[in-house]
Amino acid sequence: DAGVIQSPRHEVTEMGQEVTLRCKPISGHNSLFWYRQTMMRGLELLIYFNNNVPIDDSGMPEDRFSAKMPNASFSTLKIQPSEPRDSAVYFCASSFTLQETQYFGPGTRLLVL
Amino acid sequence: SQQGEEDPQALSIQEGENATMNCSYKTSINNLQWYRQNSGRGLVHLILIRSNEREKHSGRLRVTLDTSKKSSSLLITASRAADTASYFCARTETSGSRLTFGEGTQLTVNP
Repeated sequence: DAGVIQSPRHEVTEMGQEVTLRCKPISGHNSLFWYRQTMMRGLELLIYFNNNVPIDDSGMPEDRFSAKMPNASFSTLKIQPSEPRDSAVYFCASSFTLQETQYFGPGTRLLVL
Repeated sequence: SQQGEEDPQALSIQEGENATMNCSYKTSINNLQWYRQNSGRGLVHLILIRSNEREKHSGRLRVTLDTSKKSSSLLITASRAADTASYFCARTETSGSRLTFGEGTQLTVNP
């Protein structure tokens, strides 16, 4: 298995632009997680899905952030409009069940100018 | 924000020495996991210990869990420069379903 795949790996955009991050979980995994990591705030859980259904989005910082999981093999995290404070590394992770080992993707490094 | 507490926040040792990192938590858990993150990379799972287990080994790694003290420790024996990374504990609480990560310990192993 190729592991969790994220794209793009790097994104540089200007404030106000829409940003879409993509994630393909490991085949057969039923749970998917989106995290954000910064030096200041550490690793933050933004939202997670189980069987394609969002379970808890309380970590999503603002209405500018939205996430979807239209099927078991694809999820997106969208920021619209983006702001400089959104600059961070965004990780996607998947697991077989909610409580088992999570496998992380390589992350998307986002810079909003 | 994270609710696990790890100490130390940073640890610097010489190659060959043992490194011990601790993790404490406040609620009842189903399992506790340790992850490693190299700079600029994603987290990698190291070991999972369930609430009914007290100790697990994996190569040079030894994890202990004391549910009465609500704490866990990760011991890396005979450390190598390549062990330099951040180490996170993460727990699954019995009251909730998701994994909660601590703030991590930055380990530096000097050659």
